[in-house]
Amino acid sequence: SYELTQPPSVSVSPGQTARITCSRDALPKQYAYWYQQKPGQAPVLVIYKDTERPSGIPERFSGSSSGTTVTLTISGVQAEDEADYYCQSADSSGTYYVFGTGTKVTVL
Amino acid sequence: QVQLVESGGGVVQPGRSLRLSCAASGFTFSTYGMHWVRQTPGKGLEWVALILFDGSNKFYADSVKGRFTVSRDNSKNTLYLQMNTLRTEDTAVYYCAYGVDYSNFDYWGQGTLVTVSS
Repeated sequence: SYELTQPPSVSVSPGQTARITCSRDALPKQYAYWYQQKPGQAPVLVIYKDTERPSGIPERFSGSSSGTTVTLTISGVQAEDEADYYCQSADSSGTYYVFGTGTKVTVL
Repeated sequence: QVQLVESGGGVVQPGRSLRLSCAASGFTFSTYGMHWVRQTPGKGLEWVALILFDGSNKFYADSVKGRFTVSRDNSKNTLYLQMNTLRTEDTAVYYCAYGVDYSNFDYWGQGTLVTVSS
């Protein structure tokens, strides 16, 4: 089965840069997407198609892709960015969806 | 604006059934594929099912295939998830969601909690 692996946690001081990786176990044929989820809330899309940012998402959120790894970068982290972050993609059929294991970002 | 409102969650015994509903508004429901995604308490997200815009095709996660059935009523702008032979591991918050295309999930409901326990 298709898997996406993320580090369980990332800690960062305010104003610093947080980088969250998502490793796929196969060469990518589908784009990756990133979601932010705060306690008690539904996930919110923050990056789509590896690098694109939806309207309304702050510019400090960016995405990149290299080989089998995609990365979410939060530049100039703010306290409000403390949340769980999940990557998501699909298998080669495009109709079987997979989420990463999730990363808890703690702002120190 | 887009609204997705789930209902039907509750406490149910293992082996029993439950049907979830998702009422949609603020977009043309009949033109989008719809998903169910679940989240086990304190754990991660798991995609459950997809139904195409016209209900012509349905896709399921291996963990629910043969037990869960997704359906929709485009005349009522409502998505359903029929869950049969429930197991304790099906305990989760169930979200309905959709994306502008079939690749991801742009919009989410607030979720409904299903607890499977004896």
